[in-house]
Amino acid sequence: GAGVSQSPSNKVTEKGKDVELRCDPISGHTALYWYRQSLGQGLEFLIYFQGNSAPDKSGLPSDRFSAERTGGSVSTLTIQRTQQEDSAVYLCASSFEISGAGYTQYFGPGTRLTVL
Amino acid sequence: TQLLEQSPQFLSIQEGENLTVYCNSSSVFSSLQWYRQEPGEGPVLLVTVVTGGEVKKLKRLTFQFGDARKDSSLHITAAQPGDTGLYLCAGALDSNYQLIWGAGTKLIIKP
Repeated sequence: GAGVSQSPSNKVTEKGKDVELRCDPISGHTALYWYRQSLGQGLEFLIYFQGNSAPDKSGLPSDRFSAERTGGSVSTLTIQRTQQEDSAVYLCASSFEISGAGYTQYFGPGTRLTVL
Repeated sequence: TQLLEQSPQFLSIQEGENLTVYCNSSSVFSSLQWYRQEPGEGPVLLVTVVTGGEVKKLKRLTFQFGDARKDSSLHITAAQPGDTGLYLCAGALDSNYQLIWGAGTKLIIKP
């Protein structure tokens, strides 16, 4: 079956522009995560969606970052007024329910964002 | 702040050698996962360990969860160039759905 897909795969933008990153999770997965990964480093949690519950936005680094999940499926991460330090790979993952009990997180290939 | 310290950060060895990667924390985890990530792709789950002292084997990879469920190790026997990648550990806490991620070990196996 289809895995998690993300688009675009690469995005180059100029400082100060807004960008939108898209994630299509695996059908039926109720939980969706966004992470940020700097080159060759670990994952930085950004935001978590679970069903119809209010999202956990505790990992968003500033108010320039926002995300939504429409109809419990597709999610969009928006970064306003991009800065050079926003350059990173943005990864989306989905899973059944929650991962605390060992549910596998399935990751998309990521969007590599470069802010010039 | 819960931390999961992963070591070494970088390891470059010759094909056929053995290696061990460690993840250590002061937190007790309900489970711990190991992922492998190749360039341009997202992490892929290798294994989940749940019970203290548990050992799981995946071909030449052996994963161990510490007795106190605070640490874990990944041992690779007779490493192959195909083992090259970024290895990430991630711990799950009972009280939180978030995974606590290690910073990763970049492994290069030279033919």
